[in-house]
Amino acid sequence: AQSVTQLGSHVSVSEGALVLLRCNYSSSVPPYLFWYVQYPNQGLQLLLKYTTGATLVKGINGFEAEFKKSETSFHLTKPSAHMSDAAEYFCAVSEGAQKLVFGQGTRLTINP
Amino acid sequence: DAGITQSPRHKVTETGTPVTLRCHQTENHRYMYWYRQDPGHGLRLIHYSYGVKDTDKGEVSDGYSVSRSKTEDFLLTLESATSSQTSVYFCAINTRNNYGYTFGSGTRLTVV
Repeated sequence: AQSVTQLGSHVSVSEGALVLLRCNYSSSVPPYLFWYVQYPNQGLQLLLKYTTGATLVKGINGFEAEFKKSETSFHLTKPSAHMSDAAEYFCAVSEGAQKLVFGQGTRLTINP
Repeated sequence: DAGITQSPRHKVTETGTPVTLRCHQTENHRYMYWYRQDPGHGLRLIHYSYGVKDTDKGEVSDGYSVSRSKTEDFLLTLESATSSQTSVYFCAINTRNNYGYTFGSGTRLTVV
């Protein structure tokens, strides 16, 4: 069965600093990997996804993630944090895109 | 989100009463899902459907039932609500071609 571990339930960075949110997964077959963002009192919005092909995936709002099979990781990065990036971020894994399994989430705080 | 609506958005109910949440899609997608979101747990799958009258259990299905009598509607029923079912419930559709899920805005359910 698939599983996802997000390292750090809360990450705090300064505005303009690098954002790094960590995600490790477990899957018995080549996985599909996703990052979602949730702003307060809203639903989840897809940031980016990896299915096949290029391992560096670019998403919306300047975020990107790199699939590293050898490390079973799919960390999310953004070179320069903006105040509007404050939200909760969820990593998810799926085998064949039938069911998504989510990590527990990481709340990102941006300090002025 | 465009194409998927949940109702009600908020509900307060008493312990022991049945509750039904509705998810409606306008995009004719085959796969629909119900998740619950709780702090520290991310989103956990309750039930999902892969077609009319075709449903299956997720990881936290106890105390919940679902029905899908037509493609556009997926109902989640709490047969006898308990305080542990206080949560935010999200419906999702799987836009399979894109291997991405679209989520509804959520239903905040409080069981008192």
